[in-house]
Amino acid sequence: KNQVEQSPQSLIILEGKNCTLQCNYTVSPFSNLRWYKQDTGRGPVSLTIMTFSENTKSNGRYTATLDADTKQSSLHITASQLSDSASYICVAEPSTTSGTYKYIFGTGTRLKVLA
Amino acid sequence: GAVVSQHPSRVICKSGTSVKIECRSLDFQATTMFWYRQFPKQSLMLMATSNEGSKATYEQGVEKDKFLINHASLTLSTLTVTSAHPEDSSFYICSARGLAGMNEQFFGPGTRLTVL
Repeated sequence: KNQVEQSPQSLIILEGKNCTLQCNYTVSPFSNLRWYKQDTGRGPVSLTIMTFSENTKSNGRYTATLDADTKQSSLHITASQLSDSASYICVAEPSTTSGTYKYIFGTGTRLKVLA
Repeated sequence: GAVVSQHPSRVICKSGTSVKIECRSLDFQATTMFWYRQFPKQSLMLMATSNEGSKATYEQGVEKDKFLINHASLTLSTLTVTSAHPEDSSFYICSARGLAGMNEQFFGPGTRLTVL
């Protein structure tokens, strides 16, 4: 069964600190791994996308890593800001020839950054 | 580029009435649109997938007669919640995927539905 699990479920850090969010997936065959940021009451916004052959991808203070062998990904946030408070969702996209393009969503990590 | 809008952003309705939510791709043609619902502190749950000009494909457990989806053009899809009940109160999010070469779903800002 295609599944994406994230940890921790929630996280509280102080402004300026770094943090790392984890994602394990059991999606096969696998195409892409994406990280999204979702502010409360808003739709998800893409942070990074990696294919199975990529190991790391950065977007400003966000750096995602991917280990396709262990089926693990992480999102590292550097020098956190108050505006980083949001839910971070890991999404795996199966490779498909049927053209359905369905995403497999993780349950998300709720990050709160305190001043 | 690749902007998706939803209207309305919030709607409150009485139990038994129907509510229509619009999803538009503003600067690209969306051959496929997806409708999700999200309960508090949970992730997005796919309700249905619609391709322009054809009937939507509903996920298991989603009532097609209750959640009517129309994808009549390459830039507009609508979700109508018929005979809404309080348990239909949720956050509804659409996403759009463009023509070949646009290998990504672009998400709308969501619609908060509250049924009294």
